[in-house]
Amino acid sequence: GAGVSQTPSNKVTEKGKYVELRCDPISGHTALYWYRQSLGQGPEFLIYFQGTGAADDSGLPNDRFFAVRPEGSVSTLKIQRTERGDSAVYLCASSLNVQNYGYTFGSGTRLTVV
Amino acid sequence: QKEVEQDPGPLSVPEGAIVSLNCTYSNSAFQYFMWYRQYSRKGPELLMYTYSSGNKEDGRFTAQVDKSSKYISLFIRDSQPSDSATYLCAMSDSGGSNYKLTFGKGTLLTVNP
Repeated sequence: GAGVSQTPSNKVTEKGKYVELRCDPISGHTALYWYRQSLGQGPEFLIYFQGTGAADDSGLPNDRFFAVRPEGSVSTLKIQRTERGDSAVYLCASSLNVQNYGYTFGSGTRLTVV
Repeated sequence: QKEVEQDPGPLSVPEGAIVSLNCTYSNSAFQYFMWYRQYSRKGPELLMYTYSSGNKEDGRFTAQVDKSSKYISLFIRDSQPSDSATYLCAMSDSGGSNYKLTFGKGTLLTVNP
């Protein structure tokens, strides 16, 4: 597609529920990144994929968070047993190769845990 | 102390003003410096990218990096209402994890017509 697509754009869930957030990167982009942006803060790195594999998951806050990219294109960020502190905008970005300047971000999924 | 400090503002200026935005950082390993613009409910978009120290100009935008002071700036000349957005500085090191960006909190800018 023309840009990075993230669905849903908004998600409200109850504390303790499981959620999945989807990212559809730009076609042909091999690198994919997830960031989390809390209210009033800058984005914080969560995980980086090169192709199908998670090359760096050092930013995932705990084992409730998991992400996959099984076919090297679409990625899903999964959060188990959601907590109110997980409320944030989850941003996905992609780039042609691994690089720090060619990111294209999606508009994000705004997750609210009530 | 956070690795990257940025005054969140808000900053309000009249149309046509020169805007100065800045960030300080503590990690001397940072070599790549970026400025992103983020409109409400949108993802960040890259405005300027600089490697190491120096100045870079692109149209109405000028980015400056002073590594000796660990200080970076973005100047916007002839500011327009369409420049109203949150401006985020971002940095990364030159090692194998240079894809990992560390962002400031962002400065909310409003340019009044």
